[in-house]
Amino acid sequence: DAGVTQSPTHLIKTRGQHVTLRCSPISGHKSVSWYQQVLGQGPQFIFQYYEKEERGRGNFPDRFSARQFPNYSSELNVNALLLGDSALYLCASSLGGTGGKETQYFGPGTRLLVL
Amino acid sequence: AQSVTQLGSHVSVSEGALVLLRCNYSSSVPPYLFWYVQYPNQGLQLLLKYTTGATLVKGINGFEAEFKKSETSFHLTKPSAHMSDAAEYFCAVSDPGANNLFFGTGTRLTVIP
Repeated sequence: DAGVTQSPTHLIKTRGQHVTLRCSPISGHKSVSWYQQVLGQGPQFIFQYYEKEERGRGNFPDRFSARQFPNYSSELNVNALLLGDSALYLCASSLGGTGGKETQYFGPGTRLLVL
Repeated sequence: AQSVTQLGSHVSVSEGALVLLRCNYSSSVPPYLFWYVQYPNQGLQLLLKYTTGATLVKGINGFEAEFKKSETSFHLTKPSAHMSDAAEYFCAVSDPGANNLFFGTGTRLTVIP
C-alpha cells in the first residue's frame, strides 16, 4: 500500500511569493496534519483537518492556510513568503479518531527554500 | 502547557553498545508519548508509543521505552547499536483530547564502527 505522498519534493521561491504544497493521505485515512520542520529543530504543528473541517491550528500567522478535499487530500498554502519560511514541510495522515493517541504517518516532506 | 526536553542534541555510541536517548516531558495531564526516527532526507517513522497500560513499551528495530510518571520521563533504549540506527530521533507528546503532536528538538545518533 502507498504511504503518505507529498509534492513537490523540493521548491525554491523568492520572498513575497506564494506557494502551494500538496499531500495525499494513506488510503482510508480521513485526517491530515501539517508540520513545519526548520533545520535543526523538531516539527511544529501547523494545522489538522478532518472530513474537510479544520480541527486544530498551531501558532502560525494567517499567511498560512490549508484545506482538505472530498478525497481527503490536502493543500497547504503560504502567502507572502519570508526567508524564515524555509523549512521541510511534513504532512501526516491518521484514521481520524480523536483523543491524541492515534498514530500519525508521515510523508517524506517538501523542502522549501525561500531566497 | 506541553513541553518536551531531549537531553543531548548529539549522542555517539560504538557499534554493539547500549543506546540511551533521553526524553522528559511537561504536561498538565498524563500524556500520550511517542518516539519517531528520521533518516536523512526522509519523513518520520514511528518507533513506538505509550498510551495506556504497561509502562514498558517495545517498538520496531529492537527499541523500547519506559514511561516513568514520577520522573516525567520516556527514555528510549536499545541493548546493542547497529550502524543502521544512525539517524535523528524525536520524542513527542500529545494530550488526551488534543489532535496534534508536540515534538522535542531531536537527538542525532551516531554509531561508531
